[in-house]
Amino acid sequence: AQTVTQSQPEMSVQEAETVTLSCTYDTSESDYYLFWYKQPPSRQMILVIRQEAYKQQNATENRFSVNFQKAAKSFSLKISDSQLGDAAMYFCAYRSQTGTASKLTFGTGTRLQVTL
Amino acid sequence: KAGVTQTPRYLIKTRGQQVTLSCSPISGHRSVSWYQQTPGQGLQFLFEYFSETQRNKGNFPGRFSGRQFSNSRSEMNVSTLELGDSALYLCASSMAQGGYGYTFGSGTRLTVV
Repeated sequence: AQTVTQSQPEMSVQEAETVTLSCTYDTSESDYYLFWYKQPPSRQMILVIRQEAYKQQNATENRFSVNFQKAAKSFSLKISDSQLGDAAMYFCAYRSQTGTASKLTFGTGTRLQVTL
Repeated sequence: KAGVTQTPRYLIKTRGQQVTLSCSPISGHRSVSWYQQTPGQGLQFLFEYFSETQRNKGNFPGRFSGRQFSNSRSEMNVSTLELGDSALYLCASSMAQGGYGYTFGSGTRLTVV
């Protein structure tokens, strides 16, 4: 079974600074997707960024980028120019591409605080 | 374009009762998945429905069940509620089974007393 580990329960960053959230995963599969989701107090999980395992190029979405190290099974999220609205819980998630296994396996989350 | 709608947003039930939660996916999305979120266990997969058929099921007891209707709307039911069922229940929809992108609703907060 796949597992996802987020070793930072809480992180803090000053507005306009850069922060990196860590995520590692364990799998024996070679084809899969990785996601970062944001969950603000409104509770809705919002997709921040996603990465296909077969792509070597790291995904980027505006101020959000990932560092995907397939061999090391690492998938970190970098938030540049942090804004107050970035404060939320961030979850790393894994989804297999094998057969019909379509569930998301989540990490335990990292709470990000953004300070002035 | 309307998002994923979950109703109700809050619910308080007594131990032993049963409850039904509803999820309306984004128009055109045919896959609906359910997740339970608790402080202790985190986010756990319950089940996925596609074209009215359960395609995947997580490791939950038989008290947890669901169904999907022809318009892709889904319901999940929990019978004989236990205190440990108190959680945020999230629904996610995607266009296809195991879709590349999942859109989540805001969840139903269930409290069992």
